[in-house]
Amino acid sequence: RKEVEQDPGPFNVPEGATVAFNCTYSNSASQSFFWYRQDCRKEPKLLMSVYSSGNEDGRFTAQLNRASQYISLLIRDSKLSDSATYLCVVNVGGFKTIFGAGTRLFVKA
Amino acid sequence: DGGITQSPKYLFRKEGQNVTLSCEQNLNHDAMYWYRQDPGQGLRLIYYSQIVNDFQKGDIAEGYSVSREKKESFPLTVTSAQKNPTAFYLCASRDSSMNTEAFFGQGTRLTVV
Repeated sequence: RKEVEQDPGPFNVPEGATVAFNCTYSNSASQSFFWYRQDCRKEPKLLMSVYSSGNEDGRFTAQLNRASQYISLLIRDSKLSDSATYLCVVNVGGFKTIFGAGTRLFVKA
Repeated sequence: DGGITQSPKYLFRKEGQNVTLSCEQNLNHDAMYWYRQDPGQGLRLIYYSQIVNDFQKGDIAEGYSVSREKKESFPLTVTSAQKNPTAFYLCASRDSSMNTEAFFGQGTRLTVV
């Protein structure tokens, strides 16, 4: 079983739609969690950290469920510019940082 | 400006040759990482280092080697033992706190012909 698993998609949604991604992790000792965005042929960049209480940044909302060992990302009012791959990232013990394989999102006009 | 610099951006090598990819950071981060990304795939961890003169194997370390002689530098050598080295290689670093995010360099695209 992979340490971090994501649905690869692709998710094809119209502009203005709401879309949600989930990510599961296997190590119950995982310490911290993030969502990154990666554009084609570019390096990943931090989208947002994920806190236990849930957190929101504009149109983006992240949630963490430690009991079920998953994190989620909700994007409201999708824009064309949201088209990218979204990577779930987990810091496990001992400085090991693991990336999920990513979920591809295509937002169409 | 603080950041992570990878060089070169594009690299072509003949099969059977060793090649070293450079990664330098001036963020004063303790931890550094190397990942490999194949087309349409996620990032797979090759090696990581928490401190100078110490490093650990990731999930796909075979055919790769690293060194960490200075805090700022974490070069990756792709050896001839790596069976399929053509890929996008990404270097990252982060602070020693467990709750900090990783920052990436712009990556090196290695093509072996």
